[in-house]
Amino acid sequence: ETGVTQSPTHLIKTRGQQVTLRCSSQSGHNTVSWYQQALGQGPQFIFQYYREEENGRGNFPPRFSGLQFPNYSSELNVNALELDDSALYLCASSLGGGGPNNEQFFGPGTRLTVL
Amino acid sequence: AQRVTQPEKLLSVFKGAPVELKCNYSYSGSPELFWYVQYSRQRLQLLLRHISRESIKGFTADLNKGETSFHLKKPFAQEEDSAMYYCALSGLVSGYSTLTFGKGTMLLVSP
Repeated sequence: ETGVTQSPTHLIKTRGQQVTLRCSSQSGHNTVSWYQQALGQGPQFIFQYYREEENGRGNFPPRFSGLQFPNYSSELNVNALELDDSALYLCASSLGGGGPNNEQFFGPGTRLTVL
Repeated sequence: AQRVTQPEKLLSVFKGAPVELKCNYSYSGSPELFWYVQYSRQRLQLLLRHISRESIKGFTADLNKGETSFHLKKPFAQEEDSAMYYCALSGLVSGYSTLTFGKGTMLLVSP
């Protein structure tokens, strides 16, 4: 069984640029959730994808967007980067739309630094 | 709005001492609550969930709806329990199931 993987591990961008982060879900999982974890904070829910459709969204502006592919891997895209976007971005995969009975399995994260 | 509060950033105890990591929540419906743990250099992972009413690695947590709390307890702490602990609540926001995390408590167990 393959766990959740994320790429890249680290990334440095400048303000105004765009970034794409990638996540491969655990084998057999059809749901991917993305979280932003700022320094000293807990993970904050960005959005979730279930069977290639957005299935929930947290309090993030539209410049945060995502995709899920037929193999259930996912991308997080952030446009017009701001300094406050600097954070660890976590991806988690689960089964069945990510309801409370479905455990989320987390990836190692991508550390984004915006200068 | 759903909210999770972990009042302690850091909890430091000696090996063998009892541990209680506090978690309070705010949610208008019937919550599902979890504890996640992150050991050094490892990824975030589920420790336990209240619906299972289980004990994992000696840890237990009881949901107290009257006090809106879900404190994590262990009678005798071990050095390997040192980690970052996050309390999380699963609830419905705009019809979708959403996981809301607290800010976390770092547990340090000294020999």
